[in-house]
Amino acid sequence: KAGVTQTPRYLIKTRGQQVTLSCSPISGHRSVSWYQQTPGQGLQFLFEYFSETQRNKGNFPGRFSGRQFSNSRSEMNVSTLELGDSALYLCASSLFPREEETQYFGPGTRLLVL
Amino acid sequence: GENVEQHPSTLSVQEGDSAVIKCTYSDSASNYFPWYKQELGKGPQLIIDIRSNVGEKKDQRIAVTLNKTAKHFSLHITETQPEDSAVYFCAAADSNYQLIWGAGTKLIIKP
Repeated sequence: KAGVTQTPRYLIKTRGQQVTLSCSPISGHRSVSWYQQTPGQGLQFLFEYFSETQRNKGNFPGRFSGRQFSNSRSEMNVSTLELGDSALYLCASSLFPREEETQYFGPGTRLLVL
Repeated sequence: GENVEQHPSTLSVQEGDSAVIKCTYSDSASNYFPWYKQELGKGPQLIIDIRSNVGEKKDQRIAVTLNKTAKHFSLHITETQPEDSAVYFCAAADSNYQLIWGAGTKLIIKP
């Protein structure tokens, strides 16, 4: 079974631009979560989607948004990029949004904002 | 809300020795505590987890202990090997099934 895939793997943008990142979960998984990982802040939760609905949202500004499609694939969008948005963005999928469900992570998209 | 603290931030041990990483959490209602390992260039991977009705769980060289009264849990790695070098994260699930993560521990295995 293929793992979680994320595209693109690397991205360079300039301040003020917007970016869209994509995540394809493991086949059969319906829950997708997004995290921002930076050296100083560790893993910060962005949002979680299940059955095309946002279940949870972390403490990030409205510039960060996401969506999930009927095939469970998910996208996240960051508008008006800032230097501080440079980070590794990780996507994780699980069967259901239950606490004991293992989250399987993709390799991440490394975003550099210049 | 839940808050998870993880110590130490960096741990260097001699190959063959044991390593212990500790986490504390704040929400007494948390019931699920996974540990993830992240190697360079990869996403985190689950290595072991424990639920609150169990005090200890082992899987070969890896074990996790949980003290619900003190609200802390620990990862123990015995007979460390070079491939154990990585960043380890603890997490606790809050009442909304959301994982709250520790800041991570960089484990260095010295040959």
